[in-house]
Parts: sequence; C-alpha cells; structure tokens
Amino acid sequence: QQPVQSPQAVILREGEDAVINCSSSKALYSVHWYRQKHGEAPVFLMILLKGGEQKGHEKISASFNEKKQQSSLYLTASQLSYSGTYFCGTAGSSNTGKLIFGQGTTLQVKP
Amino acid sequence: EAGVVQSPRYKIIEKKQPVAFWCNPISGHNTLYWYLQNLGQGPELLIRYENEEAVDDSQLPKDRFSAERLKGVDSTLKIQPAELGDSAVYLCASSLGLAESYNEQFFGPGTRLTVL
Repeated sequence: QQPVQSPQAVILREGEDAVINCSSSKALYSVHWYRQKHGEAPVFLMILLKGGEQKGHEKISASFNEKKQQSSLYLTASQLSYSGTYFCGTAGSSNTGKLIFGQGTTLQVKP
Repeated sequence: EAGVVQSPRYKIIEKKQPVAFWCNPISGHNTLYWYLQNLGQGPELLIRYENEEAVDDSQLPKDRFSAERLKGVDSTLKIQPAELGDSAVYLCASSLGLAESYNEQFFGPGTRLTVL
C-alpha cells in the first residue's frame, strides 16, 4: 500500500527549515528517502531501519517512528540545491519487504 | 564509477508500435529494477531481477510488456504493442545487495516515452 506524503508542495526562502512527512497504514521495516530534480534520476538520501539504524546523508536528518509507522525528513537551513521532489519509499515488516514509493513532495527554495 | 546507463533517453512512437528500452546497471550490482514513473508520481515497480532471475514481476502487464536480463548484467524492457497510456518515464535502477528493503538503489536517468 502506497505511503502518504505531506505536504504535497512547499516553497521556502534560503535558510529556512522544512519538514516532509511520510506515513503508512502498515507496519514498516524500513523507510527510504530519495530526491529527484526535474528531468533527472532520483538520488538516494537515507534509509532508516526498524530498530534505529540509519544509512545515508550526513547533512540531512530524518526520524522513524515505528509505532506510528511514520517518518519525517528534516531539511535545515535550506539551500537552493535542496529544490526538487522528495520521495519516501516504505518496505513492509520484514527484511524481504517490497519497497513502495509515495507520491512525492515538491520543494522549491527561493533566493 | 559509471552510473546506471539507459538508452534511449527519449522515444516517440505511434500507438500499436513496439518499443524497447535498454539498461546497463552499475558493475557488480546483482539486483536490477525497472520502474514506471508517471508525471507527478513516485516510481512504480514493474519488475525486479536478482542476477538473471525475475523475482518480482507481479506489476508487469504481461500481455504487452516483457523483460529480460541475460547473463545477469544488462537488461531490456519491451512493450508490444504500445498504448497511449504507456506514455511515461521508464526508470532503471540497480543495487549491490539483494534485499530491496535495506539497500540503496542507484537510478538511471530514465527513458521518456511518448505514445502518439
């Protein structure tokens, strides 16, 4: 079942902060975050695993609430290069779970 | 290190024509994915290969879509015949590990298909 992302779109000024949320109706093993710029390939940002392990980007932080089946991506002191569409992908309750992507959140950072 | 290579980048065809997309994953990556991405949506998995074996093709419309990954390296996705609704970006991705739940995926630039 597809995870739900919110908000759908956000516009920021440089230096402002943003939070993108991802929620699922099913128990999760992992949450993945990718960023895609217009006309380009999605680029890996981070994986958060059940139990607290994280793999990924040093400058971007995220949280994973296993009980609520939710994850949030925190973009602090945003830069122009942060602009793009952010996708979360969620995998079910085992390490063999299938990754399903959300519909995306478009972030635009203005000077 | 070379990334995932896809060709062509753009393809325009008329409906009912066949079309094929090619993907060369990152060297050494065992797992290869084909995704479909509609405008304003996230990628949707069509098929996943572990080496040369298709381990998940449940979302592949098998009446018109086919795929192969001979020798467990590069892969081809084919549509025959194409329909108007097939217009989308077709993304290929690869990963080093076998479990998609905890392995980073590397995406190619995609092929943008337009069916007229």
